[in-house]
Amino acid sequence: DVKVTQSSRYLVKRTGEKVFLECVQDMDHENMFWYRQDPGLGLRLIYFSYDVKMKEKGDIPEGYSVSREKKERFSLILESASTNQTSMYLCASLRGGGGSYEQYFGPGTRLTVT
Amino acid sequence: GENVEQHPSTLSVQEGDSAVIKCTYSDSASNYFPWYKQELGKGPQLIIDIRSNVGEKKDQRIAVTLNKTAKHFSLHITETQPEDSAVYFCAASAGGADGLTFGKGTHLIIQP
Repeated sequence: DVKVTQSSRYLVKRTGEKVFLECVQDMDHENMFWYRQDPGLGLRLIYFSYDVKMKEKGDIPEGYSVSREKKERFSLILESASTNQTSMYLCASLRGGGGSYEQYFGPGTRLTVT
Repeated sequence: GENVEQHPSTLSVQEGDSAVIKCTYSDSASNYFPWYKQELGKGPQLIIDIRSNVGEKKDQRIAVTLNKTAKHFSLHITETQPEDSAVYFCAASAGGADGLTFGKGTHLIIQP
């Protein structure tokens, strides 16, 4: 089974702190994604990556950056956390090619910024 | 960009009855339409998907229909069971390896 793990299930940070959310997948997938999930808004795409050192902006990239130095790891960075970034963050991975478009999600990190 | 609308936001059905969740999309270039189920405390998991060259797809009690002309697609669950209680998301994409645009979700409640 594909496994996508996220470094923390719960995280509490202060306004202005730099925050790193880590995601690791163990199936050698090319594509990885970061979404945020908010009540009544569903999941919204922040950034995605096709390959190592490649990144593409999603629908709501403002206030975030990403890093993909290794194929299995995709990090989401909040340079200066703000209270409006309090949310559930979900990482996903996708093999790419081969006809399957299934995205595999991690369990999520619930981030609270105070 | 793509916009996906999903209805209803909450759906309560009696165990054994059918449930239908509907979505519309705006971008005619979208060609991939998955449905995800999210249980409490877990990430979403794909339950069924359909591509734009197919009108209907079934997998046991679950089926998805797609009307490309009207730009809408629906999830049908028959003979609902307690374990079907969850939040369901529809999504759309113009390319499978791109990110998905999700609907806002439907909280499905199965009443015993």
